[in-house]
Amino acid sequence: QSVLTQPPSVSGTPGQRVNISCSGYSSTIGSNIVNWYRQLSGTAPRLLIYKTDQRPSGVPDRFSGSKSGTSASLAISGLQSEDEADYYCAAWDGSLNVWVFGGGTKLTVL
Amino acid sequence: VQLVESGGGSGQPGGSLRLSCTAAGFIFNNYPMNWVRQAPGKGLEWVSYINGNSNQIYYADSVKGRFTISRDNAKNSLYLQMDGLRAEDTAVYYCAKDDASGWYVTDWGQGTLVTVSS
Repeated sequence: QSVLTQPPSVSGTPGQRVNISCSGYSSTIGSNIVNWYRQLSGTAPRLLIYKTDQRPSGVPDRFSGSKSGTSASLAISGLQSEDEADYYCAAWDGSLNVWVFGGGTKLTVL
Repeated sequence: VQLVESGGGSGQPGGSLRLSCTAAGFIFNNYPMNWVRQAPGKGLEWVSYINGNSNQIYYADSVKGRFTISRDNAKNSLYLQMDGLRAEDTAVYYCAKDDASGWYVTDWGQGTLVTVSS
């Protein structure tokens, strides 16, 4: 059981905007930054959003991250077929000194 | 940045395996490193963290007391000694480099598969 809770799947049509939620606790998202990783089928994960709302170079501004209280969200606008992937949130648990991941969300572009 | 894992393979329950990760393209001792694993068809699970000079080490509860993370900065290498293997340790193990502050993973290796079965 993952400490961070994500919906197992979300879907959208090309051009749409989708949001992926990530729910945690005061010791995780409530007091620390959130990172998001994307994993294409059969490949290693890649960093998508770091420090809650920062994009690494090369990540288009269609991807954005935010956080409120003990929940975080990844928004993808202008959905494209190549956005189909698994998306994971991650946060540090300051009370346990461990990193925790969400269970992952599979994005399907219809 | 290049991270290349090795040492994966088959192990028996209760047995041991040692994973290695050879790093290139950055000043290895400046960066914290992690091991992250992914069981077949499952999500990502963080396993262990070690900072640049090895004086900060953390483990997931699921491996604490059985796995040992270490690094040899002179050899640009990260290790994971896995003892007391269990079937639930079966996974692809990724070597993952943090940013210098240790707050997020910037780069991942291609992964090495560990299968624990009798």
